[in-house]
Amino acid sequence: SQKIEQNSEALNIQEGKTATLTCNYTNYSPAYLQWYRQDPGRGPVFLLLIRENEKEKRKERLKVTFDTTLKQSLFHITASQPADSATYLCALPFSSNTGKLIFGQGTTLQVKP
Amino acid sequence: ETGVTQTPRHLVMGMTNKKSLKCEQHLGHNAMYWYKQSAKKPLELMFVYNFKEQTENNSVPSRFSPECPNSSHLFLHLHTLQPEDSALYLCASSQEGGVGNEQFFGPGTRLTVL
Repeated sequence: SQKIEQNSEALNIQEGKTATLTCNYTNYSPAYLQWYRQDPGRGPVFLLLIRENEKEKRKERLKVTFDTTLKQSLFHITASQPADSATYLCALPFSSNTGKLIFGQGTTLQVKP
Repeated sequence: ETGVTQTPRHLVMGMTNKKSLKCEQHLGHNAMYWYKQSAKKPLELMFVYNFKEQTENNSVPSRFSPECPNSSHLFLHLHTLQPEDSALYLCASSQEGGVGNEQFFGPGTRLTVL
């Protein structure tokens, strides 16, 4: 069955540095991948979608890469700020013909001033 | 605000109670979802409705009963729950249930079953 792995350990970085979060998947060839941000006690918020034919996608200080050979997506936040502290979730479609998503466990990012 | 509201935000109920969670979306979307989020576990999809028709029941126990009277409203009826059902219940909507649509989540209902 499909499996999504995100680093369950919290990532602590200093303000101004680049944060890099990893999403690995197995038994799977998704047509796209999504990243969401979730703050404590709140619902996830959509950030970016990257398709299998896109190697990289950017949105302001965010950058996502998608390597279908390595079965991995990297999520980068450049010039990180304390306000970026949150849990970041990756999500993949269950199959090629459905919008049903499978979510990773999420990685918590803590940006220290 | 994401355009998806959920009520109540917090709910404490006994195992013999019957309660309902409500979700409303103001985005004109046609697909709505219920998810369960337990501590230290990934989001678990429970139900999917697309154009008011249920298209997914992810092996959810019958003590959870969804209802979708129209594309803007989604309910989750709860009865005879177990303590392990305590979790954050999230509602989401998307343009439709097809491929590639981003999902918009509500703030969730924090449910505690005593």
